[in-house]
Amino acid sequence: QVQLQQSGPGLVKPSQTLSLTCAISGDSVSSNSAAWDWIRQSPSRGLEWLGRTYYRSKWYNDYALSVKSRITINPDTSKNQFSLQLNSVTPEDTAVYYCARGRHFLDYWGQGTLVTVSS
Amino acid sequence: DIQMTQSPSSLSASVGDRVTITCRASQSVNSNYLNWYQHQPGKAPKLLIYAASSLQSGVPSRFSGSGSGTDFTLTISSLQPEDFATYYCQQSYSTPPTFGQGTKVDIK
Repeated sequence: QVQLQQSGPGLVKPSQTLSLTCAISGDSVSSNSAAWDWIRQSPSRGLEWLGRTYYRSKWYNDYALSVKSRITINPDTSKNQFSLQLNSVTPEDTAVYYCARGRHFLDYWGQGTLVTVSS
Repeated sequence: DIQMTQSPSSLSASVGDRVTITCRASQSVNSNYLNWYQHQPGKAPKLLIYAASSLQSGVPSRFSGSGSGTDFTLTISSLQPEDFATYYCQQSYSTPPTFGQGTKVDIK
């Protein structure tokens, strides 16, 4: 049974960096058949895919154009987890952030973290 | 990016009703890469249907999906109280994967 456990702060100040971590159990971040995604949900935008990391003999990343200049997703093989960093946040980045396992679909999700961007 | 447009954006229905939600893609999507999710407040989204018509393990058989090309449908054959939620289609055929704007199903 795959489980994803998210951690990270729920409040970030404008212009600072949002950082979240997703710990994986029941699968490996280095799996050759999965990707590890970040998605966010807000009332104004619905579900928005942010990016992913995956291993296919080497590490790859894909990012949404809307955040490409500000986002980094990194795997941590020693802890079997992956992380999200979003720089220069504004109140528009306020959302519930989810990590998920991706293949051709997103079948396992983290519990979600409400991140509020406010001073 | 492939744009996914759902209709309706919201609907009101009663327990026992048959509910149909449609999803239209801005360009053709291989049906192996069209998915449906259920999202209830305070919970993570839940995969219902993958590859347009395959039922995810543990999902009740009242949920079904169909379609091909640019037009896809999610059907709930007999709405149950626990089905009141927002439903999203998603294409994973091309990067970036994109979601529809959601269809909120609430109680009539």
